[in-house]
Amino acid sequence: DTGVSQNPRHKITKRGQNVTFRCDPISEHNRLYWYRQTLGQGPEFLTYFQNEAQLEKSRLLSDRFSAERPKGSFSTLEIQRTEQGDSAMYLCASRSPLGEAFFGQGTRLTVV
Amino acid sequence: AQKITQTQPGMFVQEKEAVTLDCTYDTSDPSYGLFWYKQPSSGEMIFLIYQGSYDQQNATEGRYSLNFQKARKSANLVISASQLGDSAMYFCAMRETTPGGSNYKLTFGKGTLLTVNP
Repeated sequence: DTGVSQNPRHKITKRGQNVTFRCDPISEHNRLYWYRQTLGQGPEFLTYFQNEAQLEKSRLLSDRFSAERPKGSFSTLEIQRTEQGDSAMYLCASRSPLGEAFFGQGTRLTVV
Repeated sequence: AQKITQTQPGMFVQEKEAVTLDCTYDTSDPSYGLFWYKQPSSGEMIFLIYQGSYDQQNATEGRYSLNFQKARKSANLVISASQLGDSAMYFCAMRETTPGGSNYKLTFGKGTLLTVNP
């Protein structure tokens, strides 16, 4: 499968625990995005990488959130001390410089 | 400020008929792009169609067409000959340029849930 891959697909965690999600973009895509989608809403932009550099972060990305993209390939999104309000679908997308964005299937997080 | 408005929370259509999903947008950027994505229950956002702000003709992709009315700032999606597999959430999105214009991010509407009845 040469599309955008996200793992895990589902994650249930207790409030206060840390979680980490992974995104493997399409191999030739140097731009990578994270979005969050809550129930009944469209996806909202969280952060953007060009190669390994994180070039933009949304104000939605609180201090408990951190994203990395070492070596400009896969990316991880970590949420520390999870809260119930963090429950959402976390979507990753990648694109080439002149191309359109392709999304993964997302990681659905439930904080109990 | 909300930049993408989808006024139809839900729409129903009979199989084999056409359906129009509404989208209006707001931007002061002269260069922008409009997208439609389909999101089935599996969660993946599937790209359907794209319209650039300078494109002279309405975009078409198979059974999908985009009715672009620039002066009215609307970009409605038309699905012809609906199929049962078209049942899904549909999102309209706009490409914005970040400061410096080196990249873009997408701003999405709240979506329309389309149900195709047999």
